[in-house]
Amino acid sequence: DAGITQSPRYKITETGRQVTLMCHQTWSHSYMFWYRQDLGHGLRLIYYSAAADITDKGEVPDGYVVSRSKTENFPLTLESATRSQTSVYFCASSETGGGIYEQYFGPGTRLTVT
Amino acid sequence: QKEVEQNSGPLSVPEGAIASLNCTYSDRGSQSFFWYRQYSGKSPELIMSIYSNGDKEDGRFTAQLNKASQYVSLLIRDSQPSDSATYLCAVNIYGQNFVFGPGTRLSVLP
Repeated sequence: DAGITQSPRYKITETGRQVTLMCHQTWSHSYMFWYRQDLGHGLRLIYYSAAADITDKGEVPDGYVVSRSKTENFPLTLESATRSQTSVYFCASSETGGGIYEQYFGPGTRLTVT
Repeated sequence: QKEVEQNSGPLSVPEGAIASLNCTYSDRGSQSFFWYRQYSGKSPELIMSIYSNGDKEDGRFTAQLNKASQYVSLLIRDSQPSDSATYLCAVNIYGQNFVFGPGTRLSVLP
């Protein structure tokens, strides 16, 4: 029962490089989310997905790309990393049923852009 | 701008006392409310959800919701040092979109 996993857990990259953060969930939840967490800003939604091939922007989508070809995977790509994208990234998932919207988080990826 | 506000703390309480954490939100249309606990360097962990006015109890935790006052709180009874963490309030604005508060850092002193 792995739940929701993220990889890598830590990543250092250089400005301008492309980086992909992976998220995998074993619950078959419909919804998946990407957040970033920064001091002074709390958790902010980057993108979310309601189902395979359905994605939508959150509060801070600029500089990020997502895809969801399979229900269980939701990768987040930084097309050209910038120092301002140094952050901790959390993936989350949830299932709707009877109006329940509880989100469950993965362990996070700490990304440093140098 | 949909906002969720919390006192940043730190809130310090002695072991065995009741810790009271508060959260206010700006969107009157909000329907669902959640409390997450986050230990330093870890991911947020869901500890309580509340959907209707009143109190909801789960073990040592009680969530209280007052939609008229746009206020949700979390009480932790018999606080333990292991409860020391940052507590995040989250509000479901619409659909699956959450807005998180900045968190309140709780310190339980032995």
